[in-house]
Amino acid sequence: DAGITQSPRYKITETGRQVTLMCHQTWSHSYMFWYRQDLGHGLRLIYYSAAADITDKGEVPDGYVVSRSKTENFPLTLESATRSQTSVYFCASEPTSGSYQETQYFGPGTRLLVL
Amino acid sequence: DAKTTQPPSMDCAEGRAANLPCNHSTISGNEYVYWYRQIHSQGPQYIIHGLKNNETNEMASLIITEDRKSSTLILPHATLRDTAVYYCIVRIINSGGSNYKLTFGKGTLLTVNP
Repeated sequence: DAGITQSPRYKITETGRQVTLMCHQTWSHSYMFWYRQDLGHGLRLIYYSAAADITDKGEVPDGYVVSRSKTENFPLTLESATRSQTSVYFCASEPTSGSYQETQYFGPGTRLLVL
Repeated sequence: DAKTTQPPSMDCAEGRAANLPCNHSTISGNEYVYWYRQIHSQGPQYIIHGLKNNETNEMASLIITEDRKSSTLILPHATLRDTAVYYCIVRIINSGGSNYKLTFGKGTLLTVNP
């Protein structure tokens, strides 16, 4: 199906473990984003990517690693999970047509619990 | 920090128009006004955006004041499924880099009552 998908939708892990959250989009959008959402903070940008092999930090990048070897995929890795990374993670994508129609499209989210 | 101010909550009767206000008094000339909503436990959903002219699509209408310091999102016939948090965001389009970030404030919780 066309659109943006995230997997897993729910994940429970333990402190210190490595976790990878997957994001896949079928639109061939150039830009992709990772946000986290916590109570009291709204959505905050973790990392973003302008194209394959081009990534940059957002507001809260510490403890996270991203890669983008293919345009359609943008995985987010927590190298050593901590309890403070318990959150809901949203992936988003956006075209760069330069037209008035630019907007971000969000995935359904991944709920991560770090014990 | 969010550059917009919205009421924390609003109520609306089903079938009536919902008018959600947003103040963005420090908006720059090249910043657009975007509206998103987030239904409980789902990802944010794009609704509409505009620069200075009023806009309408199948979901809503956006009214921007002439001085662009405030705007109103109008859901013409609210349904129970429109119950969500609505976010008003200002953003520069097509400038690259971190300006692609959407800065979400706390939004307005719209509750549509039967």
